[in-house]
Amino acid sequence: NAGVTQTPKFRILKIGQSMTLQCAQDMNHNYMYWYRQDPGMGLKLIYYSVGAGITDKGEVPNGYNVSRSTTEDFPLRLELAAPSQTSVYFCASSLSGNTIYFGEGSWLTVV
Amino acid sequence: AQRVTQPEKLLSVFKGAPVELKCNYSYSGSPELFWYVQYSRQRLQLLLRHISRESIKGFTADLNKGETSFHLKKPFAQEEDSAMYYCALRGLSGGYNKLIFGAGTRLAVHP
Repeated sequence: NAGVTQTPKFRILKIGQSMTLQCAQDMNHNYMYWYRQDPGMGLKLIYYSVGAGITDKGEVPNGYNVSRSTTEDFPLRLELAAPSQTSVYFCASSLSGNTIYFGEGSWLTVV
Repeated sequence: AQRVTQPEKLLSVFKGAPVELKCNYSYSGSPELFWYVQYSRQRLQLLLRHISRESIKGFTADLNKGETSFHLKKPFAQEEDSAMYYCALRGLSGGYNKLIFGAGTRLAVHP
């Protein structure tokens, strides 16, 4: 079982560049989430989605955008990368907010 | 406001010693509390939830509504318990279930 798959695992971006973190799940979960984890800090919710076509902001949405055109996919877009976005990003999914399953994480460095 | 507080960033014990990872929460309602664990080079995974009242890998956690706490305990720590532990609260916000994480506690079990 693949579960939640994130790509890329590692990426270095220059300030001002754009990129998309991909996330896919094969568990037919309706809820999907993006969290970021800064060193020594807890996970902060960036965006979440409760179903295809529905997205909403979490605690720290600035500088990011998401879309949810299918149940399976929930990409996270960084439009103008800034050093403050250096972090580890986790995608996750759940069935109606029950047990959350996480991806392996994507390490992003903005220089 | 919904909040989860883990006051210790690092807990260092010797093998065989008792372990207690502290978690306090703030939530105006009936919360659901969870402990998630992240072993080295692995993804975050659910360890236990308060509604199950189960013991997983020797760990237990009791929800104390009076003290708004959900401390994780194990009577005899093992080296393989070394990991990051996150307390999480699930509550309704904006009509949807959201999972809010604490900052995490790193447990280091020494031989």
